[in-house]
Amino acid sequence: GQSLEQPSEVTAVEGAIVQINCTYQTSGFYGLSWYQQHDGGAPTFLSYNALDGLEETGRFSSFLSRSDSYGYLLLQELQMKDSASYFCAAVGYYGQNFVFGPGTRLSVLP
Amino acid sequence: KAGVTQTPRYLIKTRGQQVTLSCSPISGHRSVSWYQQTPGQGLQFLFEYFSETQRNKGNFPGRFSGRQFSNSRSEMNVSTLELGDSALYLCASSPEVAGGGGELFFGEGSRLTVL
Repeated sequence: GQSLEQPSEVTAVEGAIVQINCTYQTSGFYGLSWYQQHDGGAPTFLSYNALDGLEETGRFSSFLSRSDSYGYLLLQELQMKDSASYFCAAVGYYGQNFVFGPGTRLSVLP
Repeated sequence: KAGVTQTPRYLIKTRGQQVTLSCSPISGHRSVSWYQQTPGQGLQFLFEYFSETQRNKGNFPGRFSGRQFSNSRSEMNVSTLELGDSALYLCASSPEVAGGGGELFFGEGSRLTVL
């Protein structure tokens, strides 16, 4: 089957750094996307890795290792507004996000 | 640029009925995907359309169907509704970057309640 695994919950304090891991087992894998979703809102795109290594976008960075079927999202200088659910998604060649992970709920404490 | 628009935002149906949901993608986006989101199952891929053709399909029964029109607008239909179909149905469009991208733009969703 096709699956991605993520921790269900992560808690951290404001200003800290947190890493959300994602391991995958899929066919047709071309890259890994990350999305943020606040309660009651729509998912919003954060980052995408097609190549191994680190992609940095402001306070957020994402990493992919194809040999380990593993990626992570790194959030730095955490803010209260970062409290949300974070999803990784396997991406096919044409950009279709065909399998999502179960999501990681991040709680940022003051 | 207007975002992805989904209608209706909320709807209530009873078991056995059918429902049609509509999605207007961002102008210029030709790929439209549909997802079902529930607390228990998370975000599950339903299908993806590109240039009026279903290009990918998730693991859902045939009661779930969709189509895309020449202007890239898309509809999905669920027939013979079951209680378990209660969910948030999300539509997403993308600019279709072969070999890269992976970025989806989501609408606010249509929340379906089946009684």
